[in-house]
Amino acid sequence: ILNVEQSPQSLHVQEGDSTNFTCSFPSSNFYALHWYRWETAKSPEALFVMTLNGDEKKKGRISATLNTKEGYSYLYIKGSQPEDSATYLCAFRAAGNKLTFGGGTRVLVKP
Amino acid sequence: NAGVTQTPKFQVLKTGQSMTLQCAQDMNHNSMYWYRQDPGMGLRLIYYSASEGTTDKGEVPNGYNVSRLNKREFSLRLESAAPSQTSVYFCASSPGVLGQPQHFGDGTRLSIL
Repeated sequence: ILNVEQSPQSLHVQEGDSTNFTCSFPSSNFYALHWYRWETAKSPEALFVMTLNGDEKKKGRISATLNTKEGYSYLYIKGSQPEDSATYLCAFRAAGNKLTFGGGTRVLVKP
Repeated sequence: NAGVTQTPKFQVLKTGQSMTLQCAQDMNHNSMYWYRQDPGMGLRLIYYSASEGTTDKGEVPNGYNVSRLNKREFSLRLESAAPSQTSVYFCASSPGVLGQPQHFGDGTRLSIL
């Protein structure tokens, strides 16, 4: 079983503040790293799929970086808004099509 | 745009009963997956089908069986439900191509008494 860890498990952010959190994954046999956004009572939605060391992806105020050599990815939220409140999941893909998900970081943005 | 459709959305079973969760996708995806989500544990892979005609065990396959009926449909069966299988079940699909994300259904909330 591959070890994919996310930290912190949860965080509270004041509206307007920026924040970031981490996904750690095995540094060997890397194929891809996925980020998903999961709102309460909905299904996970894809944010990014990152495949190359040094990749940086951006969607609006959310961005992500990838370091495959040391096995970590950061997700950043700039100027957090209440609608950013969700659980953010990362998932590691080694050989094959299956993903191993981390436990998620639950973000609560307080007005 | 239907995407990934799961039925039913909710189900309550008694211990020992059997049932099949249905999943269908209309995106012509090659790969399909079944996950369970339990509090504090993220998503855990039960079974997956990399392509039509193949199925493989994931992280937590015990107590489940799957059938990839055709390219569109991937069902999950509980032969003899146990309280430990109370969970929210998600079906997902993907093209199977590196760099493409998975698309998830809305989930089935299953309670076993």
